[in-house]
This record gives sequence, structure tokens and C-alpha cells, in this order.
Amino acid sequence: DTAVSQTPKYLVTQMGNDKSIKCEQNLGHDTMYWYKQDSKKFLKIMFSYNNKELIINETVPNRFSPKSPDKAHLNLHINSLELGDSAVYFCASSQGVDGRNTEAFFGQGTRLTVV
Amino acid sequence: DAKTTQPTSMDCAEGRAANLPCNHSTISGNEYVYWYRQIHSQGPQYIIHGLKNNETNEMASLIITEDRKSSTLILPHATLRDTAVYYCILTGTASKLTFGTGTRLQVTL
Repeated sequence: DTAVSQTPKYLVTQMGNDKSIKCEQNLGHDTMYWYKQDSKKFLKIMFSYNNKELIINETVPNRFSPKSPDKAHLNLHINSLELGDSAVYFCASSQGVDGRNTEAFFGQGTRLTVV
Repeated sequence: DAKTTQPTSMDCAEGRAANLPCNHSTISGNEYVYWYRQIHSQGPQYIIHGLKNNETNEMASLIITEDRKSSTLILPHATLRDTAVYYCILTGTASKLTFGTGTRLQVTL
């Protein structure tokens, strides 16, 4: 069983479109995250949710809206896609919310290409 | 979260120990040292973490200096599959991981 699964793995779409990426974890973790890895391979946190509540929002444009229907799911919806949104998006989960147990499990990533 | 400094790249012969250093001279008392790696085209993978004591698990060992200003990740018998970018990360009260540029480890035959 895959611990953290994301769909789709690849997503090619045109500028201006709205798209969603889904993430599910079967680890029973309380905290989930979205990270973005750009073309220069820098990994940056975007959002973090704990028990369905937003706890971290790293100045991400409001075109990006995470939604957590339950603890096991954290979906990322992106409106009005721009060329600069092209990147690999990683979902992750961890048990805790502080530095003691931030052992995070990552999904395999969604490569988003905006054309 | 405090900053870490790692060498850009390192090479290691297969079967030998890979020792990856990390400097974190401004680490604060509540910050843990975490190591992750990212194999090409995959998601980051947790390796090990510690506060002040040395730690060992099935993947690696973590040696933290007594003053906690630096640490070393040790892969005891590197294989080709250990070729990856290794990240040394400090976490404090927040659970977010702040990835730097990491060390690109190339394991060779």
C-alpha cells in the first residue's frame, strides 16, 4: 500500500485553466502538507494542515486553495493557472506538528506543466 | 528555523562509508537535526533525526557534535541506489521542513 498517494502524476494544461491535485495518506497522520519544487529543484512548503485546520500558509497566491475534507486527504486546487506554476508538487504527511516528530512521508509528486 | 550549510557535492565509492557533513552553528536548543534525501524524480525520503545524542537506524547513523553546531550523516556501506541529494534540516516548534540546496552524493563503482 502506498503511504502517501497523489493523483495525477502528470498534468499538462493551458494557461488560465483551473486544475486540482489530490492527495491521500493512509498512515493515520494528523498533519498534511503541500510542497512545490521548481525548475531549479528548490523545495518550498506551501501549506500545512493539522486535523483539517490550516496551520501554515507560506505567502502562496490565493489562486492556490487547499482543501482538507478529512484528516486523510489534502487536495490542492489551482485557479487561473500561469506559466510560473509549472513545477513538481509534493504532498506529505507527518504525525505531529512540532519539530520533535516531523518525520514526513512524501508522495511521488505531480509534475504540472502549464503551456 | 536556523540555517544549515552543506557541501554542494560529494563522491563515494560503492561499499565504502559515505560521510555527509552539515554545519548549523546557529542552532537553538529546541531544534532537531533531520536528514532527508531525494532520489532523482522521487519524493523526499526521511532518513534519520536527532536532538543531541547520536542516533542509528537501519539506513544510517547521525553523529551530532557536543556543541550541536555540526553533524554528520553516515551511510555505512554506500550503494549505487544511495545516489541522491541529501538535505540536512533543522526543525523547531513548527513542523515545516525548510529545504536548502543539499549535498548531491554520487556513488560510483
